[in-house]
Amino acid sequence: EAGVAQSPRYKIIEKRQSVAFWCNPISGHATLYWYQQILGQGPKLLIQFQNNGVVDDSQLPKDRFSAERLKGVDSTLKIQPAKLEDSAVYLCASSLDFRAEQYFGPGTRLTVT
Amino acid sequence: GQQLNQSPQSMFIQEGEDVSMNCTSSSIFNTWLWYKQEPGEGPVLLIALYKAGELTSNGRLTAQFGITRKDSFLNISASIPSDVGIYFCAGQLPQGGSEKLVFGKGTKLTVNP
Repeated sequence: EAGVAQSPRYKIIEKRQSVAFWCNPISGHATLYWYQQILGQGPKLLIQFQNNGVVDDSQLPKDRFSAERLKGVDSTLKIQPAKLEDSAVYLCASSLDFRAEQYFGPGTRLTVT
Repeated sequence: GQQLNQSPQSMFIQEGEDVSMNCTSSSIFNTWLWYKQEPGEGPVLLIALYKAGELTSNGRLTAQFGITRKDSFLNISASIPSDVGIYFCAGQLPQGGSEKLVFGKGTKLTVNP
């Protein structure tokens, strides 16, 4: 069974630029999560989707971050404009449903200079 | 918001030694989870605990869900070099129709052969 796929694996941008990350969850998983992991910290949930609907985006900085999961499968997370403090690893995870085990992708390491 | 206090922050041990790490919180959680994260990868679930007082083993790993539901520990017996990584505790609780995961800051384990 293929795992959660993410791309790109690494991205370096200058502050005030925009960036987008892509996630392809495990086939059949209804729930998709985006986490931000700052160096030396545990992952922090940004947004949770159930199929193509948002369940929880309470910790998403909505003035600059946006995410969508239009067809209930793939998802993109966008930052526009980026700030220095956005430098982190962005992890995507998926699960069969919101109570099931979450499987994480390898993450995208973002560096904002 | 909920916070998990995970200790120790890092450990340096010799191969064959036993390891113990723990997590405490001021909040009550319904589920405690322990993850391992290796460089360049997302966290991988090691053990899940669902009931207060539960003691669960997975090979050389043993974890317990505290009776107060506010703490958990993870023990690794007879450590080997491949145990190297960052171990995260996570508490799960229902929130607005989802099961939100809150992570600790991690324990970085180094095993000297």
